[in-house]
Amino acid sequence: EAGVAQSPRYKIIEKRQSVAFWCNPISGHATLYWYQQILGQGPKLLIQFQNNGVVDDSQLPKDRFSAERLKGVDSTLKIQPAKLEDSAVYLCASSLVTSGVTDEQYFGPGTRLTVT
Amino acid sequence: GNSVTQMEGPVTLSEEAFLTINCTYTATGYPSLFWYVQYPGEGLQLLLKATKADDKGSNKGFEATYRKETTSFHLEKGSVQVSDSAVYFCALRRGAGKSTFGDGTTLTVKP
Repeated sequence: EAGVAQSPRYKIIEKRQSVAFWCNPISGHATLYWYQQILGQGPKLLIQFQNNGVVDDSQLPKDRFSAERLKGVDSTLKIQPAKLEDSAVYLCASSLVTSGVTDEQYFGPGTRLTVT
Repeated sequence: GNSVTQMEGPVTLSEEAFLTINCTYTATGYPSLFWYVQYPGEGLQLLLKATKADDKGSNKGFEATYRKETTSFHLEKGSVQVSDSAVYFCALRRGAGKSTFGDGTTLTVKP
């Protein structure tokens, strides 16, 4: 079974530029998550989708970050314009949705963003 | 809100030493608890989990017991190997919601 795919693996941009990350979850997984992991910290949720609907985006800086999951499969996360503090690893994860059960989350390898 | 506190690192041990990484949590309700491992240059991998009080999760010689009375989920291994060198994250999650992670503990095992 293929895992969660993410691209690119690394990206370096200057502040005020824009950037986009792509994620393809495991086939059949209804729930998709984007996390931000700043160096030395644990991952923090940015946005959670179930199919193509947003479940939780309370921690997403909506003035500069946006995300979509068209057709309920793959997803893109965009930052425009980027700030220095956006330097982090952006992790995508997916899971099945089984009512009343905590399904395992599967994480992709992440995209390491450096903003200079 | 939910939170997870891990012992600060880094932790450096000699091969075959006993490992304990402390983890305590604050949560409403009854979350599931997890330990994830992140090897250099790789993504997060689930190491073990426990879904209810007094459950013990185990994998690859690692163990952790869900202690509701002390709100803890400490990770232990009786004899570490060089290949166990990685960053370990404690996390909690309820249902299909988000995971709340600790800040990670870096383990280095020396031969």
